[in-house]
Amino acid sequence: QVQLVESGGGVVQPGRSLRLSCAASESTFRNYAMHWVRQPPGRGLEWVATISYDGRKTHSADSVTGRLNVLRDHAKNTLFLQLNSLRPDDTAIYYCAQNVWFGEVGNEDAFDNWGQGTLVTVSS
Amino acid sequence: DIQMTQSPSSLSASVGDRVTITCRTSLNIATSLNWYQQKPGKAPKLLIYSASNMPSGVPLRFSGSGSGTHFTLTINNLQPEDFATFYCQQSFAFPRTFGQGTKVDI
Repeated sequence: QVQLVESGGGVVQPGRSLRLSCAASESTFRNYAMHWVRQPPGRGLEWVATISYDGRKTHSADSVTGRLNVLRDHAKNTLFLQLNSLRPDDTAIYYCAQNVWFGEVGNEDAFDNWGQGTLVTVSS
Repeated sequence: DIQMTQSPSSLSASVGDRVTITCRTSLNIATSLNWYQQKPGKAPKLLIYSASNMPSGVPLRFSGSGSGTHFTLTINNLQPEDFATFYCQQSFAFPRTFGQGTKVDI
């Protein structure tokens, strides 16, 4: 199973930007849609974004649309999430997850293989 | 957005019990419903996908059923390692949405 390792979290001031990375251990990463899910401390899960296996299509939550850029670099087996104009309610653990199926995004998607998460704290 | 309502929000159970968690959706989503288990301090784990399918490695005491707007997750013969929070999630439409979670404790 592909191992996913997130990095890039930390404490960031409101209004600033942050780029998170999710490094995959195998090149099979390129065959799967990928997802970002976040979890505010002590709260439930919130889907953030999905990127197609080829990087051509992305979908994002209303709460981050317009502030978010998701891309993937197959040469580096890495997924990226850049979030701009950070707000205190962006504070959360951010997880990347691999889709349960390879190929196109669809209505049978599920978040199968998860990274360990990286904590983003937005505070002055 | 498709609203997800889990019930109960929490429950107490004993080892060996049978536990049932319900997830209702605001729209008919056919079988585009997934279940996750999350233990404290850990990433979620996929338990059930497409309403009733189990990834390899998930114990057979877990099962999922339902379609349309009503889904259930059943845990038979609850084991000590099963105490956790469980979430349902729909993949029928964007934005993907989760239920609020059901905490199962002793």
